Amino acid sequence: DQQVKQNSPSLSVQEGRISILNCDYTNSMFDYFLWYKKYPAEGPTFLISISSIKDKNEDGRFTVFLNKSAKHLSLHIVPSQPGDSAVYFCAAMTSGSARQLTFGSGTQLTVLP
Amino acid sequence: DVKVTQSSRYLVKRTGEKVFLECVQDMDHENMFWYRQDPGLGLRLIYFSYDVKMKEKGDIPEGYSVSREKKERFSLILESASTNQTSMYLCASTLRGGQGPKEQYFGPGTRLTVT
Repeated sequence: DQQVKQNSPSLSVQEGRISILNCDYTNSMFDYFLWYKKYPAEGPTFLISISSIKDKNEDGRFTVFLNKSAKHLSLHIVPSQPGDSAVYFCAAMTSGSARQLTFGSGTQLTVLP
Repeated sequence: DVKVTQSSRYLVKRTGEKVFLECVQDMDHENMFWYRQDPGLGLRLIYFSYDVKMKEKGDIPEGYSVSREKKERFSLILESASTNQTSMYLCASTLRGGQGPKEQYFGPGTRLTVT
């Protein structure tokens, strides 16, 4: 049973508009959430994270929102740029573990010029 | 600059062959991980190690083994490769201890094809 789910395998957005990528989780023990970006033929790179004690974290064009009661988080990219086209993975972690991450299945974002 | 390297970018092996995938990190990280990435399934954890000579099974360890003889090197071994092990293999490392989500740093991946 997948503990971290990304239900949209793909998303297309026009350049300059907002991209919203969604992620749901089932394990209430998760207390940190991370987003990774992956280009083809490269390893994933860390993008942004959020602690479960917060509901928002912002870094430049990227903002992550956490709704703990709904077990839902989202990544907003504003404004979207063609270079943002990549696969985005949501991941979750329980502190105190060996820092194992549980990943979602990913969402392919395409930003159209 | 953080660096995780993997021995091969592309590998083609025959069914039944023994396959070694090597990963080296230069960040003095205690924790190292092996994942496989498949379409629609995301990244799934195969094995991880939190210290030299220590290993723990991840979610899908069947058909794989690992070796960690030195802190900087973590090897994934396919004892007898099968076609269902055709995949992208990703190595990652991170610090142990401290507070907060120490993000994992990934290597570029090895695309393994088993024929």
